[in-house]
Amino acid sequence: GQQLNQSPQSMFIQEGEDVSMNCTSSSIFNTWLWYKQDPGEGPVLLIALYKAGELTSNGRLTAQFGITRKDSFLNISASIPSDVGIYFCAGQLAGARSRQLTFGSGTQLTVLP
Amino acid sequence: DAGITQSPRHKVTETGTPVTLRCHQTENHRYMYWYRQDPGHGLRLIHYSYGVKDTDKGEVSDGYSVSRSKTEDFLLTLESATSSQTSVYFCAISRGPDTGELFFGEGSRLTVL
Repeated sequence: GQQLNQSPQSMFIQEGEDVSMNCTSSSIFNTWLWYKQDPGEGPVLLIALYKAGELTSNGRLTAQFGITRKDSFLNISASIPSDVGIYFCAGQLAGARSRQLTFGSGTQLTVLP
Repeated sequence: DAGITQSPRHKVTETGTPVTLRCHQTENHRYMYWYRQDPGHGLRLIHYSYGVKDTDKGEVSDGYSVSRSKTEDFLLTLESATSSQTSVYFCAISRGPDTGELFFGEGSRLTVL
């Protein structure tokens, strides 16, 4: 079942504002990833994190792998209209036989002009 | 583009009928996956494949079967479709099982009446 709690479920922000979303779990993860899905398309990888404490940026996006290995956050600075979409966190559970990804339920982001 | 083509992109069918969704990739990657996406559930893994004739079950495999007779094609079959299988289905590929870095197709929207 679902082992990642992603919040918030949805956000409405003004263009230019910063955005923050996060994923938490009671389990430990070896890998954290953030994907974005545009309407009618498949998810696209934004950032991958492989070490606890790692902070990685991709343009206006910054993501961190929590030091406890149980959480991760994604920040978007100075939002623009094309940031609209659904953002998913995903992780690979530590110690799991399967190395498959577990996905959060997504954060729907709306950017208002 | 990651060179992934899903077909059909849209299908409406009736309960009890068989349905096959096709995923075709031009990247020659060994690792392929089928996910379903439903509101509030994020993406859930149905089946995955680590090579020709090498497939395994994911989190929500009941009612689904897969086949991989060629590296480039991964087929998902619903032997007898049910309304609970109404969903958007995504195929994904990766360079390796450990990275978590998936490249997704554009999705196949299936409606079972």
